[in-house]
Amino acid sequence: AQSVTQPDIHITVSEGASLELRCNYSYGATPYLFWYVQSPGQGLQLLLKYFSGDTLVQGIKGFEAEFKRSQSSFNLRKPSVHWSDAAEYFCAVGLEYGNKLVFGAGTILRVKS
Amino acid sequence: DARVTQTPRHKVTEMGQEVTMRCQPILGHNTVFWYRQTMMQGLELLAYFRNRAPLDDSGMPKDRFSAEMPDATLATLKIQPSEPRDSAVYFCASGKGLVGQETQYFGPGTRLLVL
Repeated sequence: AQSVTQPDIHITVSEGASLELRCNYSYGATPYLFWYVQSPGQGLQLLLKYFSGDTLVQGIKGFEAEFKRSQSSFNLRKPSVHWSDAAEYFCAVGLEYGNKLVFGAGTILRVKS
Repeated sequence: DARVTQTPRHKVTEMGQEVTMRCQPILGHNTVFWYRQTMMQGLELLAYFRNRAPLDDSGMPKDRFSAEMPDATLATLKIQPSEPRDSAVYFCASGKGLVGQETQYFGPGTRLLVL
């Protein structure tokens, strides 16, 4: 069965600093990959997704992610973090028709001023 | 701006009581998901529907939980009887397209506390 690992439970970065959140998946074929963000007290919102094609994907709020097949990774990046980016971030993997999304455990991002 | 709506937003009840949570998916979406989020377990998929038919409810405790879609605009999740361990935030999400490939749109959640 497919699985998703987010190795970092918490990350703290300074405002203006760059950010990288890690995500590794386990699946034999190319999966469908997603990053969602959850602000406190809110539901999850899609940041970006990868299905095929260009391995560097641009999303909303200045985020991007890169799919690396050789490393089974789909890391999320942002060049300069804003205080409003403080939230919990979830990586998710989906398979082809008939299956569901599997979410990682999430990474809580704290931004210090 | 189409959104998934959930009611109630907050619910406090006593152990043994019935709890019903409601979800209105985005118009035109044909897939509905119920998730439960806790600190210990994270985000768990309880059940999901496609075109109102249940496709997978393996994540749901069968003895006390039930999920239905009486019509395309309403999904319900019921707990009877409720227990303190059911305290969590319950999210509904909807989407269209192929499960596993589609974007899911989440509601704001129902925060449930069972005393």
